[in-house]
Amino acid sequence: EPEVTQTPSHQVTQMGQEVILRCVPISNHLYFYWYRQILGQKVEFLVSFYNNEISEKSEIFDDQFSVERPDGSNFTLKIRSTKLEDSAMYFCATQTSSVSDTQYFGPGTRLTVL
Amino acid sequence: AQSVTQLGSHVSVSEGALVLLRCNYSSSVPPYLFWYVQYPNQGLQLLLKYTTGATLVKGINGFEAEFKKSETSFHLTKPSAHMSDAAEYFCAVIKGAQKLVFGQGTRLTINP
Repeated sequence: EPEVTQTPSHQVTQMGQEVILRCVPISNHLYFYWYRQILGQKVEFLVSFYNNEISEKSEIFDDQFSVERPDGSNFTLKIRSTKLEDSAMYFCATQTSSVSDTQYFGPGTRLTVL
Repeated sequence: AQSVTQLGSHVSVSEGALVLLRCNYSSSVPPYLFWYVQYPNQGLQLLLKYTTGATLVKGINGFEAEFKKSETSFHLTKPSAHMSDAAEYFCAVIKGAQKLVFGQGTRLTINP
């Protein structure tokens, strides 16, 4: 069964450094999402992406965050200057098209900012 | 605005007992509702979803949920718990275009 993959599984970085989290979506999916889960808290929406542009973003997704699909396959989340509070599990999710379709989640990247 | 509330951050049941995880929703439009499960150190896996049609929805691993509009609920049940059901369970609703809004999660513990 096709699945969403994410790399790396764990990223440790120093505060102020840039990180790029990568996701490989399921091949025929058109909608892409990033969510995050701070330890002990609920999963929160960050951004949705369709047709090579952001369709919606949360208030968490400020100027330090960006997303792109540089090569038509990978879907990346970049944090330009990481803060301690960015430490979380980041999940990529992908979906075919309809709002009622399932969003398939990747295994996540655990980001630790020191 | 669409949101969900999960009652009980931690539920503990004996192996073989009924599992009941509660979820209430708030929505100004007919909701699309989901239950996801997260096993330790893994991502989120869809258990089941309600979009339209039959209000009793069957999912994977013997779980089911019933959409009750009059009670604004979408509780998750399983008749007989198995040790492998130990995990975190999240109720979610679609908000706006397509983003998922999750509840706080319920950690299910199974006692032997």
